[in-house]
Formats: sequence, structure tokens, C-alpha cells
Amino acid sequence: AQTVTQSQPEMSVQEAETVTLSCTYDTSESDYYLFWYKQPPSRQMILVIRQEAYKQQNATENRFSVNFQKAAKSFSLKISDSQLGDAAMYFCAQTGYGGATNKLIFGTGTLLAVQP
Amino acid sequence: DTGVSQDPRHKITKRGQNVTFRCDPISEHNRLYWYRQTLGQGPEFLTYFQNEAQLEKSRLLSDRFSAERPKGSFSTLEIQRTEQGDSAMYLCASTWLPNTGELFFGEGSRLTVL
Repeated sequence: AQTVTQSQPEMSVQEAETVTLSCTYDTSESDYYLFWYKQPPSRQMILVIRQEAYKQQNATENRFSVNFQKAAKSFSLKISDSQLGDAAMYFCAQTGYGGATNKLIFGTGTLLAVQP
Repeated sequence: DTGVSQDPRHKITKRGQNVTFRCDPISEHNRLYWYRQTLGQGPEFLTYFQNEAQLEKSRLLSDRFSAERPKGSFSTLEIQRTEQGDSAMYLCASTWLPNTGELFFGEGSRLTVL
């Protein structure tokens, strides 16, 4: 069974600083995708960053980057130069590769506060 | 804006009443998903459609829940004889195949059962 664990219910960061959100997962699939989604208050969930498990290189999207450790089944998100607009709930998620179902399995989320 | 839209955004109902939510996916998307999200939790998968065919249902989807996607476009999620435990945010998402695994979410329909 696929599981996703986020052990940090809440995190706080100062504006312009760097913060890392943790995520571990478990899966029996050999190929899969990992995601970080952002859910601002009362707004829809949007994709922050995606990692294909077969790629060794860590994904990067502007100020967002991941540290993907496949053997450890760890997938952390680093937010650099934090901005007030980064305040949101962040969900780590995984799905099987190849679109068999694309059924995303989510963690419980980390609520990120950004202090001015 | 041609994103995923959901209606209504908020619904307050009394226990025992039936409610229906509608989801309009992004037009070229052939996959549509329903998720449920309770306070402080991540979204939980309920069901998904490939065009008009419902291909998987979670065990969370009791027999009081029914979902349809009659013409492979919009979808409805009906909850019959609502219970207080049904209070949650119901999220719809869509995507297309073949794809990169990303789902595109609507803003959700929040249900409060009194």
C-alpha cells in the first residue's frame, strides 16, 4: 500500500529565509511520481513541484527545490527566500507512474506560516 | 479562466437531507477525480472516472454516495441521507492521459451537516 507521512504539522519561517518541509513515503511501485502541492486558505490546491522517481536529479522550480532520497524514501521541499505569499498548507503526494490511476495519495499536510 | 469549477462552493444542510455537488473539469481532460478533505487532513481519494466510466471507488464511498459523469464531461457527486460525519470539503480534480501525473484541482465544495 502507498503511504505518505508528513511529520511536521506546522512550520514557521521568517520572510526571506529558507525553510525545509519533510516528507517520507512508502510504495511497492518501481516507478512513480512525487509531488508537493500548495493549498492557500480558501483557494484551490496547486502544484508546486514534481519529481519522477527514475530521475536522480532533484527537481527545481525557481525558489522551490526538493531533496529526493529514493533509497530512504524521503522527499523534502526547500523553499528559499520565503515570501508572505508562500504561507499555505503544503501537501506531499505520490502516485504510480504511467497513469494507471493517477490516484494521488496525500500526506496530512504541513501548515507554513511566514513571518514578516 | 478555464480551470476546474465546482458548485456550490458551500452547502449547509440538515442531517438526513440529500445534497448534490457538481464539477466541471478542464474541457480536454478525460480523467476526473473526487476527493474528500476533512479539517487538518490531506485529501482522501473517493472515486475517479475515465471519460464516462467510473473505474474505481474507495471503500470510503459508502452506498449513500453516488457519482456520475454521464457524458464524460461534468460530474456530480450525490450524498443521500447526510450524516454529520459527511461534513467535509469535497474536491474535484481532472487531468488527461497520457500525462505526468499532475492533477488540476477545483476550489472545492464545503459541506456542513447540522
